[in-house]
Amino acid sequence: GENVEQHPSTLSVQEGDSAVIKCTYSDSASNYFPWYKQELGKGPQLIIDIRSNVGEKKDQRIAVTLNKTAKHFSLHITETQPEDSAVYFCAAPGANNLFFGTGTRLTVIP
Amino acid sequence: DSGVTQTPKHLITATGQRVTLRCSPRSGDLSVYWYQQSLDQGLQFLIQYYNGEERAKGNILERFSAQQFPDLHSELNLSSLELGDSALYFCASSAPGTANTEAFFGQGTRLTVV
Repeated sequence: GENVEQHPSTLSVQEGDSAVIKCTYSDSASNYFPWYKQELGKGPQLIIDIRSNVGEKKDQRIAVTLNKTAKHFSLHITETQPEDSAVYFCAAPGANNLFFGTGTRLTVIP
Repeated sequence: DSGVTQTPKHLITATGQRVTLRCSPRSGDLSVYWYQQSLDQGLQFLIQYYNGEERAKGNILERFSAQQFPDLHSELNLSSLELGDSALYFCASSAPGTANTEAFFGQGTRLTVV
């Protein structure tokens, strides 16, 4: 199955700074890469995704980049705000289900 | 609100007992996935159902089983519970049976085994 690695496991940034989370995957056939945000006591929420036919996708302060050659993709959050504090998971598809990274705990310091 | 409903939100039970977790997928979604999230751990895939049929199995223990009913809601049954089964259990749904599309998660059931 797919193997997804995610770094860093924890990340602290000052409010207003940018945050970058990186993931690598193993299956070159994977073609869909979502990112989820999980707040304390809640379920993972899909925040952005990218398909393999594009290299970058942006939605307001959030962007995702994909490098299929290197098999890695990254989440970029600009102008971070305290409400961005959460655990973020990347994922890649296997034959039937998503395989998730181990998560990044992002803390935005006011 | 993702549109995926899980009940109950919390469950406390004793070792050796059996519990049933329930999931109602988003309207129109045919696929239901169950995931387990232990403390400070990632999301471990347990099992997938598509339109009533088991589609894929992950790291699901033999003590655990699931099913999807004709109305597409799903239940995850956990039996002979052990302390280590304490975790968050999430259900997710998606429209088709493939993994390369949006999946939406419920709020989870927090199971505590004492």
